[in-house]
Amino acid sequence: GIQVEQSPPDLILQEGANSTLRCNFSDSVNNLQWFHQNPWGQLINLFYIPSGTKQNGRLSATTVATERYSLLYISSSQTTDSGVYFCAVLRVGEKLTFGTGTRLTIIP
Amino acid sequence: DAGVIQSPRHEVTEMGQEVTLRCKPISGHNSLFWYRQTMMRGLELLIYFNNNVPIDDSGMPEDRFSAKMPNASFSTLKIQPSEPRDSAVYFCASSPGTGSIIRDEQYFGPGTRLTVT
Repeated sequence: GIQVEQSPPDLILQEGANSTLRCNFSDSVNNLQWFHQNPWGQLINLFYIPSGTKQNGRLSATTVATERYSLLYISSSQTTDSGVYFCAVLRVGEKLTFGTGTRLTIIP
Repeated sequence: DAGVIQSPRHEVTEMGQEVTLRCKPISGHNSLFWYRQTMMRGLELLIYFNNNVPIDDSGMPEDRFSAKMPNASFSTLKIQPSEPRDSAVYFCASSPGTGSIIRDEQYFGPGTRLTVT
């Protein structure tokens, strides 16, 4: 099946800093999505982004499908951005596959 | 709206017992998803329904697991008999869309933490 790798596994930043999280996948995919899991375990959809760029407030995401990666950008980080960020990919005929996540900690 | 409701929030049971997890999706949503999260395996999609019909259950780990959606406002995930390796957080999510498991925005419940001793 398709392999999904996220980097870095852990990231600690000062409040106000910018960050870039990466998701690499081993084969072409039909769909890709980013999720955030806060420190209390709640999961939230961030973006559906099989290709191109999307922005939502301080967050934006870019997927370059031909090069098999996606990037999640967080600008002006806030403590509420802390948690684990997952990407998930779907290739037709295969299972939805999640990456192992990037744990982001924003220090006040 | 109250969001996706899951019950119980915590369940501790002994190996061999039957466990039933419950989910009430957001009213008007026509797709429902069950996920499992463990330290070892991460997040996994177990099964999803569209208009109460199971669309893909390929993620269900084995025959001990079964899921039903008898109506648009209720779903259950049952494990019988339970085993210690079933210990995990089980999430239910719903979406208003067509059943595309990744195109439609999903709204997650708070999860049920299951411990099988």
